Amino acid sequence: QKEVEQNSGPLSVPEGAIASLNCTYSDRGSQSFFWYRQYSGKSPELIMFIYSNGDKEDGRFTAQLNKASQYVSLLIRDSQPSDSATYLCAVPMYSGGGADGLTFGKGTHLIIQP
Amino acid sequence: EAGVAQSPRYKIIEKRQSVAFWCNPISGHATLYWYQQILGQGPKLLIQFQNNGVVDDSQLPKDRFSAERLKGVDSTLKIQPAKLEDSAVYLCASSSGPEQYFGPGTRLTVT
Repeated sequence: QKEVEQNSGPLSVPEGAIASLNCTYSDRGSQSFFWYRQYSGKSPELIMFIYSNGDKEDGRFTAQLNKASQYVSLLIRDSQPSDSATYLCAVPMYSGGGADGLTFGKGTHLIIQP
Repeated sequence: EAGVAQSPRYKIIEKRQSVAFWCNPISGHATLYWYQQILGQGPKLLIQFQNNGVVDDSQLPKDRFSAERLKGVDSTLKIQPAKLEDSAVYLCASSSGPEQYFGPGTRLTVT
């Protein structure tokens, strides 16, 4: 059973700074990695996903993979109070491709302080 | 494009009662998932459908949980009988590729 570990936080970051969220994964063969944002009382919302062949930037969000250490990071630049949420990291349960079900971490609670 | 629809949004039942949840995926999405999210934890996959066939139900407590997707579109998840530990949010998601999109969820409270 693949495992995904995240620091539950809370992680407090001042507005305008860079928020850095990490998660570690147990299966060295994992091929894709997902970041979801979940506001309190709401369902998870996909922010971005990356494959094991490289990092990805989308607006203020950057996902980086460190295969040697088996962790993936999500960087949020110019943090805004609206970024305050729980961030969930996930990996596919099996082959890492296609449409596998996901194994999620417990999430990191991020607080952006105005 | 309409998102994933779920109903009801909230349900309160007593232990040993039965309950059913409904999900309508994004149009054209062949893959449908049911997840259980207990407070303070990440979602946990219960069952995955590809069209009307089950791809993975390895984490579904089959003694009390059942799910179907008869026509390859809508799906229902049933719990019978419910236990206190089933109190959670039940999330439906759908996909046409690696990205999964979640519905609003059904919050179940078992008393």
